[in-house]
Amino acid sequence: EADIYQTPRYLVIGTGKKITLECSQTMGHDKMYWYQQDPGMELHLIHYSYGVNSTEKGDLSSESTVSRIRTEHFPLTLESARPSHTSQYLCASSEYRGQGGGYTFGSGTRLTVV
Amino acid sequence: DAKTTQPTSMDCAEGRAANLPCNHSTISGNEYVYWYRQIHSQGPQYIIHGLKNNETNEMASLIITEDRKSSTLILPHATLRDTAVYYCIVRVSGANSKLTFGKGITLSVRP
Repeated sequence: EADIYQTPRYLVIGTGKKITLECSQTMGHDKMYWYQQDPGMELHLIHYSYGVNSTEKGDLSSESTVSRIRTEHFPLTLESARPSHTSQYLCASSEYRGQGGGYTFGSGTRLTVV
Repeated sequence: DAKTTQPTSMDCAEGRAANLPCNHSTISGNEYVYWYRQIHSQGPQYIIHGLKNNETNEMASLIITEDRKSSTLILPHATLRDTAVYYCIVRVSGANSKLTFGKGITLSVRP
Protein backbone atom coordinates (compact mmCIF):
# COMPACT_ATOMS: atom_id res chain seq x y z
CA GLU A 1 0.00 0.00 0.00
CA ALA A 2 1.56 3.28 -1.14
CA ASP A 3 2.13 5.86 1.55
CA ILE A 4 3.42 8.47 -0.84
CA TYR A 5 1.02 10.14 -3.21
CA GLN A 6 1.58 12.10 -6.36
CA THR A 7 -0.99 14.16 -8.20
CA PRO A 8 -1.90 14.47 -10.94
CA ARG A 9 -1.05 11.09 -12.43
CA TYR A 10 -1.10 12.52 -15.97
CA LEU A 11 -0.96 16.16 -17.07
CA VAL A 12 -1.10 17.66 -20.54
CA ILE A 13 -0.54 21.39 -20.55
CA GLY A 14 0.28 24.17 -22.97
CA THR A 15 3.60 25.93 -23.29
CA GLY A 16 4.10 28.83 -20.92
CA LYS A 17 1.74 27.61 -18.23
CA LYS A 18 2.75 27.42 -14.60
CA ILE A 19 2.33 23.99 -13.06
CA THR A 20 2.78 22.42 -9.66
CA LEU A 21 3.24 18.70 -9.19
CA GLU A 22 2.11 17.54 -5.78
CA CYS A 23 3.83 14.97 -3.58
CA SER A 24 2.73 13.99 -0.10
CA GLN A 25 3.81 11.22 2.24
CA THR A 26 2.21 9.96 5.43
CA MET A 27 5.20 8.09 6.83
CA GLY A 28 6.79 11.01 8.64
CA HIS A 29 9.96 10.64 6.59
CA ASP A 30 12.33 13.55 6.89
CA LYS A 31 13.97 13.07 3.50
CA MET A 32 12.21 13.59 0.19
CA TYR A 33 13.38 13.52 -3.41
CA TRP A 34 12.28 14.33 -6.96
CA TYR A 35 13.54 12.28 -9.87
CA GLN A 36 13.00 12.88 -13.59
CA GLN A 37 12.80 10.03 -16.05
CA ASP A 38 12.38 10.20 -19.82
CA PRO A 39 10.80 7.12 -21.47
CA GLY A 40 13.19 4.19 -21.50
CA MET A 41 15.91 6.19 -19.80
CA GLU A 42 17.51 6.36 -16.38
CA LEU A 43 16.11 8.17 -13.38
CA HIS A 44 17.92 11.39 -12.56
CA LEU A 45 17.77 13.17 -9.21
CA ILE A 46 16.70 16.79 -9.68
CA HIS A 47 15.83 17.97 -6.15
CA TYR A 48 16.01 16.70 -2.61
CA SER A 49 15.21 17.83 0.91
CA TYR A 50 16.50 16.63 4.25
CA GLY A 51 13.78 18.35 6.23
CA VAL A 52 11.53 21.35 6.57
CA ASN A 53 12.97 24.48 4.97
CA SER A 54 15.80 22.43 3.45
CA THR A 55 16.03 22.01 -0.33
CA GLU A 56 18.96 21.17 -2.58
CA LYS A 57 19.50 20.71 -6.29
CA GLY A 58 20.24 17.22 -7.50
CA ASP A 59 22.63 15.76 -10.03
CA LEU A 60 20.62 16.83 -13.09
CA SER A 61 20.05 20.51 -13.66
CA SER A 62 16.37 21.38 -13.76
CA GLU A 63 14.41 24.58 -14.30
CA SER A 64 11.89 23.44 -11.73
CA THR A 65 11.82 24.61 -8.12
CA VAL A 66 10.70 22.89 -4.94
CA SER A 67 9.63 23.87 -1.44
CA ARG A 68 9.40 22.04 1.87
CA ILE A 69 7.20 23.95 4.28
CA ARG A 70 5.71 20.84 5.88
CA THR A 71 7.36 17.49 6.52
CA GLU A 72 4.77 15.58 4.55
CA HIS A 73 4.59 17.83 1.50
CA PHE A 74 7.20 18.41 -1.23
CA PRO A 75 5.70 20.11 -4.29
CA LEU A 76 7.59 20.77 -7.53
CA THR A 77 6.83 23.86 -9.61
CA LEU A 78 7.57 24.84 -13.19
CA GLU A 79 6.99 28.56 -13.65
CA SER A 80 6.74 28.36 -17.44
CA ALA A 81 6.35 24.91 -18.95
CA ARG A 82 8.13 24.06 -22.19
CA PRO A 83 8.02 20.96 -24.42
CA SER A 84 11.50 20.06 -23.15
CA HIS A 85 9.94 19.55 -19.71
CA THR A 86 7.90 16.64 -21.04
CA SER A 87 8.90 13.69 -18.87
CA GLN A 88 7.88 11.55 -15.94
CA TYR A 89 8.48 13.03 -12.49
CA LEU A 90 8.84 10.63 -9.57
CA CYS A 91 8.75 11.62 -5.92
CA ALA A 92 10.30 9.53 -3.15
CA SER A 93 10.89 9.67 0.58
CA SER A 94 13.17 7.89 3.00
CA GLU A 95 14.22 7.81 6.60
CA TYR A 96 17.61 7.16 8.07
CA ARG A 97 17.71 3.81 9.83
CA GLY A 98 21.41 3.38 10.36
CA GLN A 99 21.94 1.73 7.02
CA GLY A 100 20.63 4.57 4.91
CA GLY A 101 17.10 3.28 4.67
CA GLY A 102 15.11 2.26 1.63
CA TYR A 103 13.31 4.74 -0.55
CA THR A 104 9.55 4.66 -1.07
CA PHE A 105 8.45 6.02 -4.44
CA GLY A 106 5.17 7.45 -5.59
CA SER A 107 3.49 6.37 -8.83
CA GLY A 108 4.79 9.39 -10.70
CA THR A 109 3.34 12.24 -12.73
CA ARG A 110 3.61 11.92 -16.49
CA LEU A 111 3.86 15.48 -17.84
CA THR A 112 3.34 16.40 -21.47
CA VAL A 113 3.85 19.99 -22.56
CA VAL A 114 2.40 20.82 -25.95
CA ASP B 1 29.43 5.94 -4.57
CA ALA B 2 30.92 3.02 -6.46
CA LYS B 3 29.69 2.26 -9.97
CA THR B 4 27.85 -0.90 -10.88
CA THR B 5 27.78 -2.90 -14.11
CA GLN B 6 24.79 -4.99 -15.13
CA PRO B 7 23.93 -6.83 -18.34
CA THR B 8 21.43 -4.98 -20.48
CA SER B 9 18.81 -7.67 -20.45
CA MET B 10 18.02 -11.28 -19.69
CA ASP B 11 15.05 -13.59 -19.71
CA CYS B 12 13.88 -16.61 -17.83
CA ALA B 13 10.99 -19.02 -17.88
CA GLU B 14 8.06 -18.56 -15.56
CA GLY B 15 8.45 -20.64 -12.42
CA ARG B 16 12.21 -20.86 -12.72
CA ALA B 17 14.74 -18.96 -10.66
CA ALA B 18 15.97 -15.68 -12.10
CA ASN B 19 19.58 -14.87 -11.21
CA LEU B 20 20.47 -11.25 -11.90
CA PRO B 21 24.20 -10.44 -11.71
CA CYS B 22 25.84 -7.17 -10.76
CA ASN B 23 29.49 -6.16 -10.69
CA HIS B 24 30.72 -3.51 -8.28
CA SER B 25 34.47 -4.01 -8.26
CA THR B 26 35.25 -0.60 -6.71
CA ILE B 27 32.90 -0.97 -3.75
CA SER B 28 34.29 0.31 -0.48
CA GLY B 29 33.86 -1.06 2.99
CA ASN B 30 31.01 1.18 4.06
CA GLU B 31 28.92 0.82 0.90
CA TYR B 32 25.81 -1.30 0.77
CA VAL B 33 24.37 -3.09 -2.25
CA TYR B 34 20.75 -2.19 -2.93
CA TRP B 35 18.33 -3.66 -5.43
CA TYR B 36 15.25 -1.91 -6.75
CA ARG B 37 12.93 -2.74 -9.60
CA GLN B 38 10.70 -0.66 -11.80
CA ILE B 39 7.68 -2.20 -13.44
CA HIS B 40 6.50 -0.49 -16.60
CA SER B 41 7.52 3.07 -15.62
CA GLN B 42 5.87 2.91 -12.22
CA GLY B 43 7.87 4.23 -9.28
CA PRO B 44 10.82 1.99 -8.39
CA GLN B 45 10.22 -0.55 -5.67
CA TYR B 46 12.76 -1.49 -3.01
CA ILE B 47 13.64 -5.19 -3.06
CA ILE B 48 16.54 -5.91 -0.74
CA HIS B 49 19.92 -4.64 0.41
CA GLY B 50 23.02 -6.03 2.09
CA LEU B 51 26.55 -5.26 3.20
CA LYS B 52 28.49 -8.50 3.11
CA ASN B 53 26.26 -11.27 4.37
CA ASN B 54 23.71 -12.95 2.18
CA GLU B 55 20.22 -11.63 2.74
CA THR B 56 16.77 -13.05 2.11
CA ASN B 57 13.31 -11.59 2.39
CA GLU B 58 9.88 -12.41 1.05
CA MET B 59 10.73 -11.04 -2.38
CA ALA B 60 14.25 -12.23 -3.12
CA SER B 61 17.66 -13.35 -1.98
CA LEU B 62 20.86 -11.37 -2.29
CA ILE B 63 24.15 -13.21 -2.60
CA ILE B 64 27.28 -11.08 -2.18
CA THR B 65 30.67 -12.58 -2.99
CA GLU B 66 33.24 -12.76 -0.24
CA ASP B 67 35.37 -10.03 -1.83
CA ARG B 68 32.17 -7.96 -2.29
CA LYS B 69 33.07 -7.15 -5.89
CA SER B 70 29.89 -8.69 -7.25
CA SER B 71 26.46 -9.82 -6.20
CA THR B 72 23.48 -11.74 -7.50
CA LEU B 73 19.81 -11.07 -6.94
CA ILE B 74 17.78 -14.25 -6.98
CA LEU B 75 14.06 -14.38 -7.61
CA PRO B 76 13.39 -18.00 -6.65
CA HIS B 77 10.23 -18.58 -8.69
CA ALA B 78 9.84 -15.90 -11.31
CA THR B 79 6.35 -14.93 -12.42
CA LEU B 80 5.17 -12.81 -15.34
CA ARG B 81 4.66 -9.95 -12.87
CA ASP B 82 8.40 -9.95 -12.18
CA THR B 83 9.06 -8.59 -15.67
CA ALA B 84 10.71 -5.25 -14.92
CA VAL B 85 13.91 -3.25 -14.96
CA TYR B 86 16.10 -4.21 -12.01
CA TYR B 87 18.61 -1.74 -10.63
CA CYS B 88 21.69 -2.69 -8.64
CA ILE B 89 22.90 0.33 -6.68
CA VAL B 90 25.87 0.74 -4.41
CA ARG B 91 25.31 3.35 -1.76
CA VAL B 92 27.39 4.56 1.15
CA SER B 93 25.88 4.24 4.57
CA GLY B 94 24.96 7.59 5.99
CA ALA B 95 22.06 9.81 6.81
CA ASN B 96 22.50 11.97 3.73
CA SER B 97 23.50 9.44 1.12
CA LYS B 98 21.39 9.51 -2.01
CA LEU B 99 20.23 6.85 -4.45
CA THR B 100 21.75 7.07 -7.92
CA PHE B 101 20.17 4.90 -10.60
CA GLY B 102 21.98 3.43 -13.60
CA LYS B 103 20.46 1.76 -16.63
CA GLY B 104 19.57 -1.46 -14.83
CA ILE B 105 18.85 -4.84 -16.36
CA THR B 106 15.59 -5.62 -18.11
CA LEU B 107 14.26 -8.98 -16.98
CA SER B 108 11.67 -10.58 -19.20
CA VAL B 109 9.82 -13.56 -17.77
CA ARG B 110 8.36 -15.73 -20.50
CA PRO B 111 5.36 -18.04 -20.08
